[in-house]
Amino acid sequence: AQTVTQSQPEMSVQEAETVTLSCTYDTSENNYYLFWYKQPPSRQMILVIRQEAYKQQNATENRFSVNFQKAAKSFSLKISDSQLGDTAMYFCAFMTLGSNDYKLSFGAGTTVTVRA
Amino acid sequence: DVKVTQSSRYLVKRTGEKVFLECVQDMDHENMFWYRQDPGLGLRLIYFSYDVKMKEKGDIPEGYSVSREKKERFSLILESASTNQTSMYLCASTADTEAFFGQGTRLTVV
Repeated sequence: AQTVTQSQPEMSVQEAETVTLSCTYDTSENNYYLFWYKQPPSRQMILVIRQEAYKQQNATENRFSVNFQKAAKSFSLKISDSQLGDTAMYFCAFMTLGSNDYKLSFGAGTTVTVRA
Repeated sequence: DVKVTQSSRYLVKRTGEKVFLECVQDMDHENMFWYRQDPGLGLRLIYFSYDVKMKEKGDIPEGYSVSREKKERFSLILESASTNQTSMYLCASTADTEAFFGQGTRLTVV
């Protein structure tokens, strides 16, 4: 079974500063993807960033970047220059790629509040 | 524009009722998922389907069933609703590794 653990229920950050969200996962698979999703108060899930396990280079998307440590099974998200619109719940997610099976599993989430 | 539509945004049902939550996607995706979201527990997978008439149990299938008669539609069924099924329900479909979500249905069972 695969599990995703987010150990920080809540984080608060001052506008323009940096915040890092942690995520660890457990799997015996070699072929998988990792994701960070954002869920603002509108409830719509939005893909923030994606990392392929076979790529060593850390993914970046504008102000969002990840630190992927495959051996440690760790996948943290860094939000730089935080903006008020970044206030949301953030979920770490994991997908394995079986022959029929694209099972997508999520962590418990971290609520991020950006203070003005 | 990619779209996953859930039939209701809010729903109130009585204990013991049979409840249908519908999800439709217009992207011809093969994989579809139902999750429930509860505070402190994140999104937990109830069922998923990788093809028409195919279904697989997720992590918490008890008390639920699903139906996928057509590729674009994936229904979640609560055979006899109970108060512990009060939750937010999210549907998703995937193309390769990208998932698209519906807007969620907040179900209250009274």
